[in-house]
Amino acid sequence: GAVVSQHPSRVICKSGTSVKIECRSLDFQATTMFWYRQFPKKSLMLMATSNEGSKATYEQGVEKDKFLINHASLTLSTLTVTSAHPEDSSFYICSARLGTSGSNEQFFGPGTRLTVL
Amino acid sequence: KNQVEQSPQSLIILEGKNCTLQCNYTVSPFSNLRWYKQDTGRGPVSLTIMTFSENTKSNGRYTATLDADTKQSSLHITASQLSDSASYICVVISNAGNMLTFGGGTRLMVKP
Repeated sequence: GAVVSQHPSRVICKSGTSVKIECRSLDFQATTMFWYRQFPKKSLMLMATSNEGSKATYEQGVEKDKFLINHASLTLSTLTVTSAHPEDSSFYICSARLGTSGSNEQFFGPGTRLTVL
Repeated sequence: KNQVEQSPQSLIILEGKNCTLQCNYTVSPFSNLRWYKQDTGRGPVSLTIMTFSENTKSNGRYTATLDADTKQSSLHITASQLSDSASYICVVISNAGNMLTFGGGTRLMVKP
């Protein structure tokens, strides 16, 4: 149980285009999902916290107009990278939290490799 | 400031050998500590979760320890296999704001 999927697993796009990444909790309902970014050989950096039915909470330094997050249902959150630039190329990972307590475990998706040409 | 420091940054061992990875943290108030394994190009997968009162927890060949007094944790891998090659990330969860603080990870390579 507690499986989180991401789609697509990798995407290549041209500069200036927008890319949508989906994060789904397959066998549980996730009130809260999280979006992370990971650079090569670095650890995960939290970008934003996505709460179902409300606006996402962005970490300092993360542009909310560039990284649009929608959490329309308890099993789906989407991250849209708008007007992508080569510096947006990275590994994007989502996680979904089982339950409402902060101490509850987060289950991570397999990640999405974004390459912007 | 909440911080999680892992050592070593990278490690190479021969197949069949044991190794121990270290994690020191300054997160407060402490809720729990987790070790994750992250294969290259994949998301992290949980290995162990330890609360304040737990000193040791095993998951197959992985054994995690926690010393809440010194704020140190270790992950011991026994009889390493080639498939153990991955990054191992220590994550400490704080009750305050339900925050996760990630360590920088230890990149382990197991060679035949």
